Amino acid sequence: GQQLNQSPQSMFIQEGEDVSMNCTSSSIFNTWLWYKQDPGEGPVLLIALYKAGELTSNGRLTAQFGITRKDSFLNISASIPSDVGIYFCAGQPIGNTGKLIFGQGTTLQVKP
Amino acid sequence: DAGVIQSPRHEVTEMGQEVTLRCKPISGHDYLFWYRQTMMRGLELLIYFNNNVPIDDSGMPEDRFSAKMPNASFSTLKIQPSEPRDSAVYFCASSKTMWTSDSTDTQYFGPGTRLTVL
Repeated sequence: GQQLNQSPQSMFIQEGEDVSMNCTSSSIFNTWLWYKQDPGEGPVLLIALYKAGELTSNGRLTAQFGITRKDSFLNISASIPSDVGIYFCAGQPIGNTGKLIFGQGTTLQVKP
Repeated sequence: DAGVIQSPRHEVTEMGQEVTLRCKPISGHDYLFWYRQTMMRGLELLIYFNNNVPIDDSGMPEDRFSAKMPNASFSTLKIQPSEPRDSAVYFCASSKTMWTSDSTDTQYFGPGTRLTVL
């Protein structure tokens, strides 16, 4: 089946540092989404991307929909302790009925 | 809106027992999704409904799993009999439409039910 490769699997950084994570797919997607999951909670939508090449920001977060439509990245600038959590990419493959495929997640830890 | 509501938040049961998980979607959302999250397999879609009708249950692991949506504001996921390998966090999500054409169409997740089968 279709899969998303998300990397890195985990990151441990110092407060104030910038963070970058990405997702790649073997097939073309027409939507990319980035979610954050806090411990004991469900994923919460951070950014949604709908067009190839689209670059969207949400505060300190910036995400881009790759030109090839097979990848996306998420950047977090000037990280703070509350950025800790698991970040998931999700995509909607072209031709799919709209079901989302999720990456395996990137666990982010921020050291104050 | 209160968001997607799930109950219980935690469930501990013994192998062989029946387990029922409940979900109340966001009002006005026509689509409801059940996901399972494990360390090994990540987030997996089990089944989704449109206007209370099951559309795709290809992700349901086996016949021990069943889901119903008797009305627009309530859905259940039942496991009978439960097994230790069913231990996971089960999420319910809802959305207005299936096509994520803009941000309002994306799926919103509930807090999940952590199921432990001993």
